Amino acid sequence: GQQLNQSPQSMFIQEGEDVSMNCTSSSIFNTWLWYKQDPGEGPVLLIALYKAGELTSNGRLTAQFGITRKDSFLNISASIPSDVGIYFCAGPPRVAGNMLTFGGGTRLMVKP
Amino acid sequence: DAGVIQSPRHEVTEMGQEVTLRCKPISGHDYLFWYRQTMMRGLELLIYFNNNVPIDDSGMPEDRFSAKMPNASFSTLKIQPSEPRDSAVYFCASSSTSRDSRYNEQFFGPGTRLTVL
Repeated sequence: GQQLNQSPQSMFIQEGEDVSMNCTSSSIFNTWLWYKQDPGEGPVLLIALYKAGELTSNGRLTAQFGITRKDSFLNISASIPSDVGIYFCAGPPRVAGNMLTFGGGTRLMVKP
Repeated sequence: DAGVIQSPRHEVTEMGQEVTLRCKPISGHDYLFWYRQTMMRGLELLIYFNNNVPIDDSGMPEDRFSAKMPNASFSTLKIQPSEPRDSAVYFCASSSTSRDSRYNEQFFGPGTRLTVL
């Protein structure tokens, strides 16, 4: 089946730094979603992208839907300690239905 | 609005015992998903329902796992008998394809952390 590859798998950064992570697929996706999972909680939707080339911001977060529709990027500016968590990309497989395929996640650690 | 509700939040049981996890989806959502999360395998889809009907259970690991959705507001995931390798966090999520909701956005519950000794 379709797989989403996220990189990097983990990041350990200093507070205040900007963060970039990406997600790639061998197949086209028509929707890209970015979720964040805080420690001990369920994933929460951060940003949804529905159109190739779309650039969407949510506070310090900015995500882009790649032109090829095979990738997406998430940037976090001026990181703070509460940005700690696991960031997942997700998209619907080409088969109909409301299923989502999730990437393996990028674990972000922020040093105060 | 209440989000997805899961119970219990934590469950510790002994190998061989039956475990039942419960989920109440967001009202009005017509899709319900059960996921399992482990360090080794990440987030895995086990089964999902549409309008209370199981659509895809190919992710259910073994016959020891079963899931039901008797009505639109309740679902259970049962493991019988449980084994230590079933230890994981189990998430329930729901979504809607109605006109007022964006397609494919899934809303997750807080999860049930299961430990099988």
